[in-house]
Amino acid sequence: GAVVSQHPSWVICKSGTSVKIECRSLDFQATTMFWYRQFPKQSLMLMATSNEGSKATYEQGVEKDKFLINHASLTLSTLTVTSAHPEDSSFYICSASIGGHTGELFFGEGSRLTVL
Amino acid sequence: AQTVTQSQPEMSVQEAETVTLSCTYDTSESDYYLFWYKQPPSRQMILVIRQEAYKQQNATENRFSVNFQKAAKSFSLKISDSQLGDAAMYFCASHNTNAGKSTFGDGTTLTVKP
Repeated sequence: GAVVSQHPSWVICKSGTSVKIECRSLDFQATTMFWYRQFPKQSLMLMATSNEGSKATYEQGVEKDKFLINHASLTLSTLTVTSAHPEDSSFYICSASIGGHTGELFFGEGSRLTVL
Repeated sequence: AQTVTQSQPEMSVQEAETVTLSCTYDTSESDYYLFWYKQPPSRQMILVIRQEAYKQQNATENRFSVNFQKAAKSFSLKISDSQLGDAAMYFCASHNTNAGKSTFGDGTTLTVKP
């Protein structure tokens, strides 16, 4: 099956620093990747849609200058949380779509970000 | 716009018994797909089952089956012979083919009692 790997699985950083999270499709080419934010026992909040070779499409209310998304290849998308603050602490999840009609998603393991 | 509603924040079932998780959705699209995803305590979300909206036949995957009522916009998940490993948070999702993205419900946390 399709495998998506996310790294790091957890990260602790100081307020004001930037953190990069990687999302890789290991055995398929992902034309589209999605980034979500999840609070404890809550649903996934879509942050942005990342398409290879083009700018990400951000959901309403998501600061594009704060959450930088780059999808430079068909197997890698990155999310950089710039100038992180404690309120950015959360669980970030990526997913990838193989393409096609169904929209079936393959998810990364998630990254727990804690900003001190 | 699509909405997905899971009205049961928490459910519990005895091991080996059957449980049904509810999901309703609303969409103006004619072409869409419905999914149930499982997020175990280890956190990586995986697909449980998929239903094509144009198919009347309910999807089945081993112990997992759905009751898809298109007119009522209902898409419930039935888990038969529940196992301890079924304990997880379950998300219902609707994929809008035109928009190319999925909308998730708020999730149902399933506890399996031994």
